[in-house]
Amino acid sequence: AQSVSQHNHHVILSEAASLELGCNYSYGGTVNLFWYVQYPGQHLQLLLKYFSGDPLVKGIKGFEAEFIKSKFSFNLRKPSVQWSDTAEYFCAVILQGGKLIFGQGTELSVKP
Amino acid sequence: EAGVAQSPRYKIIEKRQSVAFWCNPISGHATLYWYQQILGQGPKLLIQFQNNGVVDDSQLPKDRFSAERLKGVDSTLKIQPAKLEDSAVYLCASSYRPSGGVNTGELFFGEGSRLTVL
Repeated sequence: AQSVSQHNHHVILSEAASLELGCNYSYGGTVNLFWYVQYPGQHLQLLLKYFSGDPLVKGIKGFEAEFIKSKFSFNLRKPSVQWSDTAEYFCAVILQGGKLIFGQGTELSVKP
Repeated sequence: EAGVAQSPRYKIIEKRQSVAFWCNPISGHATLYWYQQILGQGPKLLIQFQNNGVVDDSQLPKDRFSAERLKGVDSTLKIQPAKLEDSAVYLCASSYRPSGGVNTGELFFGEGSRLTVL
């Protein structure tokens, strides 16, 4: 069955630390990949997406993600986190037919 | 541009009672989704509509959950009777899907309806 796995349930960092959140998916077909973010008290919103082309994609607020097809991975990175990045981050994959499957989420806490 | 509207924001009921959630998607968005998000987990797709037709309801517990999207615009998700394990946030999302085209995957989410079943 298709699935998305996020490696870390809760990550705690200090401001200015670098961030990498892992995401692996299991699906043999062509995939479109996403990272969504949910800030405290807000709705889910798109952070970045990969459809095709350059496997390194850049999103809002300095986030980027790299698609590595051979590893079925789509890890999220940010060189220097800020307190305002405190949120829950969800990796997702869209299957043929438009079905979007989410990972279990990673809660990021950034200490000022 | 108005976002996805959901109501009510919060609902507390006792088990075996019924509840209904309403969603109004972004104008022009043909695809509408209902997700269930249990605390500590990622959103799980319950049902996906394309206009007023069901595309995927494979994970909808049909013995107690039902959803409809009359006229292809707003949608209602009903639970009857509710169980304790239905306590969750119910998220509605919509996306634009051109006729005959592929969903670009960008879903726009509402703020959710938080259900507590006692």
